[in-house]
Amino acid sequence: QSVLTQPPSVSGAPGQRVTISCTGSSSNIGAGFDVHWYQILPETAPKLLIFDNNNRPSGVPDRFSGSKSGTSASLAITGLQAEDEADYYCQSSDSSPSGSVIFGGGTKLTVL
Amino acid sequence: EVRLVQSGAEVKKPGESLKISCKGSGNSLTSNWIGWVRQMPGKGLEWMGIIYTGDSETRYSPSFQGQVTISADKSISTAYLQWSSLKASDTGIYYCARHDIKSVTPMADLWGQGTLVTVSS
Repeated sequence: QSVLTQPPSVSGAPGQRVTISCTGSSSNIGAGFDVHWYQILPETAPKLLIFDNNNRPSGVPDRFSGSKSGTSASLAITGLQAEDEADYYCQSSDSSPSGSVIFGGGTKLTVL
Repeated sequence: EVRLVQSGAEVKKPGESLKISCKGSGNSLTSNWIGWVRQMPGKGLEWMGIIYTGDSETRYSPSFQGQVTISADKSISTAYLQWSSLKASDTGIYYCARHDIKSVTPMADLWGQGTLVTVSS
């Protein structure tokens, strides 16, 4: 059972917009810890997609965006493309124990 | 371009020891935080711990404290993850990742390709 809760799966048609939620608590996201998002394409290593809630590393398309509010965060993907089909994970820290790094359970995105 | 290159897949029996490695290209891991992340078959990512290659300061997730040892050799820009006695439940893919801990929440901004560890009798 992950400390951060994500939906196991989401889906959307090409061109559509999808969002993936990441729900935490007052000891992690709600305590002010930032949220990062990672993308794992089939047979590849994880890749940092969004950092510090809403920032994109160089090379990540602006179709990907992140937000954070209260004890939750979200990843939005607009203009869905077939190559976006992947697993997505949120990551934050928790104050118990102090500074521990925690991941969400992951969400499988299927492009219909 | 900096890359993290991990050692190859391993097949071991329960009770055996194992040490896997993660090397930075071009001696790029002399002063970095390198973490290890486990992905068990069909499961999500689990953060195991982290080491600063400059002085080998190490921090473990409570879930992995005492179960594995994280070490580093600064002179060859390599971090390690080792087990003294493997269990079947250690089967999974193990990723190393460079961590940026300057922000409030550590983030893994560069990942290795993963090492598949299979423990089976």
